[in-house]
Amino acid sequence: EAQVTQNPRYLITVTGKKLTVTCSQNMNHEYMSWYRQDPGLGLRQIYYSMNVEVTDKGDVPEGYKVSRKEKRNFPLILESPSPNQTSLYFCASRPVMGTYEQYFGPGTRLTVT
Amino acid sequence: KQEVTQIPAALSVPEGENLVLNCSFTDSAIYNLQWFRQDPGKGLTSLLLIQSSQREQTSGRLNASLDKSSGRSTLYIAASQPGDSATYLCAVRESGGGADGLTFGKGTHLIIQP
Repeated sequence: EAQVTQNPRYLITVTGKKLTVTCSQNMNHEYMSWYRQDPGLGLRQIYYSMNVEVTDKGDVPEGYKVSRKEKRNFPLILESPSPNQTSLYFCASRPVMGTYEQYFGPGTRLTVT
Repeated sequence: KQEVTQIPAALSVPEGENLVLNCSFTDSAIYNLQWFRQDPGKGLTSLLLIQSSQREQTSGRLNASLDKSSGRSTLYIAASQPGDSATYLCAVRESGGGADGLTFGKGTHLIIQP
């Protein structure tokens, strides 16, 4: 089954404790990205990657890091999480040709206390 | 900067009614437009994708139209059912370059009353 997976699905952590949210896709998509969703603000893009070793900032990159060492994986790293990063996070992938239809993971709900 | 607006923000209708959700965008230079469904605590499920050269797409009881020149799209749901209750999101991908992310509206929260 074609899918985007994320782990963990739920995470509660404390300020300053480094964490990583993993994302993996099995569709051989070149493009992967991370979004956060907040009430009243909608979904906003954090980072994206056009291919292995190619990453770039989205609209709200502050406080986040990413890496793309393999085509299927695109982890999101919060090196020193703060309460304002409490949010629902989505990973997405799509091809870079054709319809560009985007597929989303199930989401990770992060709470930083 | 592209802005996407969805009206209404919330809608509650009795089961069986036909309904229309609206999406407007400020910059008509889009590559495509995608409608998603989001259930509480869940991810986004793609419903329909319309390329900029298309006028509409249909899937079952759903029909999405696109009027690129006026910056509008509608999602028509026929014979609504309680299982259609969810938040519906509209997102546009802009033309030019492969690095574009999606610009989302804030969604329409739909409740279908049994």
